[in-house]
Amino acid sequence: GQNIDQPTEMTATEGAIVQINCTYQTSGFNGLFWYQQHAGEAPTFLSYNVLDGLEEKGRFSSFLSRSKGYSYLLLKELQMKDSASYLCAVDNYGQNFVFGPGTRLSVLP
Amino acid sequence: GAVVSQHPSWVICKSGTSVKIECRSLDFQATTMFWYRQFPKQSLMLMATSNEGSKATYEQGVEKDKFLINHASLTLSTLTVTSAHPEDSSFYICSAREREGQGAWETQYFGPGTRLLVL
Repeated sequence: GQNIDQPTEMTATEGAIVQINCTYQTSGFNGLFWYQQHAGEAPTFLSYNVLDGLEEKGRFSSFLSRSKGYSYLLLKELQMKDSASYLCAVDNYGQNFVFGPGTRLSVLP
Repeated sequence: GAVVSQHPSWVICKSGTSVKIECRSLDFQATTMFWYRQFPKQSLMLMATSNEGSKATYEQGVEKDKFLINHASLTLSTLTVTSAHPEDSSFYICSAREREGQGAWETQYFGPGTRLLVL
């Protein structure tokens, strides 16, 4: 079966750091992706992890532990424009992606 | 970066009509395209996987006779919602996968989406 879990909503303050968790149980695994989606728009790619560890990309970092079926997206120096939904998606053996329910992040001044 | 376009971006139609949505990869060849549906405040729901030159693979619960998918070329896939009803009103998003070579990771690039409203 396929199951991906994320918190539904999170709130943080401008300039702070926030961590969005994602746990997964999927029949296949060929990597985990994080996407950002603003309301009414299509998702945009943020990061990709296929090996355990941390991948850093500017203000965004993503971590993966395959043995624990766990990933997180870390956003530093939060800005108002970071208010969006964040989706984690598991690459299911290269066939398709299984998306999590998404986490709606609100950044407050 | 890779660009995927979708047309139209907005559709308002009467119940019972058919609506065609086009998805194009503009600067790369996409052997695989995906069609998603997204309801307000919900995540993406995969409807079908479309491979160039072959029949689409539909997810469980998606009616293939209602949502016709054609992937006629390496840069174009179309989704036709036949006999649309108000419950088909949703945000439809396509994506295309760019293959970067053996062993390389492949992300999906998303089109801007098509908002369908059936009256």
